[in-house]
Amino acid sequence: DTAVSQTPKYLVTQMGNDKSIKCEQNLGHDTMYWYKQDSKKFLKIMFSYNNKELIINETVPNRFSPKSPDKAHLNLHINSLELGDSAVYFCASSQTDNYGYTFGSGTRLTVV
Amino acid sequence: ILNVEQSPQSLHVQEGDSTNFTCSFPSSNFYALHWYRWETAKSPEALFVMTLNGDEKKKGRISATLNTKEGYSYLYIKGSQPEDSATYLCAFGGNDMRFGAGTRLTVKP
Repeated sequence: DTAVSQTPKYLVTQMGNDKSIKCEQNLGHDTMYWYKQDSKKFLKIMFSYNNKELIINETVPNRFSPKSPDKAHLNLHINSLELGDSAVYFCASSQTDNYGYTFGSGTRLTVV
Repeated sequence: ILNVEQSPQSLHVQEGDSTNFTCSFPSSNFYALHWYRWETAKSPEALFVMTLNGDEKKKGRISATLNTKEGYSYLYIKGSQPEDSATYLCAFGGNDMRFGAGTRLTVKP
């Protein structure tokens, strides 16, 4: 039973396309996140949702739009993909009141 | 902007050695500090969540301490084993944990 599952694991697409990455957690956690692992291997927060409400939205291009249909899902939709969007994207979840995060296995996005 | 710094960037030790690394963070408005273990081709795995000044946590041969007043945390590994080889990340913040770049540990048999 995967606690935080992301799909797809790999995504190769052309510039200009629109794509989505899905994330689901079965832990009953209240908060979900999207992180981007940049070229220097840093994990940088993109978005944070608590009970379907956006609570953190870092300086991410508005081509990136998170969607949370319910508290178990946080999907990431990316419009007009650019070469610089190529990275590994990690979804994570946690309980509120500051418990450790549980991460998904990552989605490697390659834009060609 | 919160800066989390980890040192050293990488570390090579022999099996059986004990080792430690540092995480530095802003000492003002402290909320929590996390340590994660990240093996290659896997996802980060939470080791410790620390919230109080003076906290000490232990899990097997791995332990961590926290000093919120001076803004640092140490992670210790006693008697390193090859399976301890991984990148150790610390993260600081509240609802938006900011991660350091990690310390890459390699334990040679």
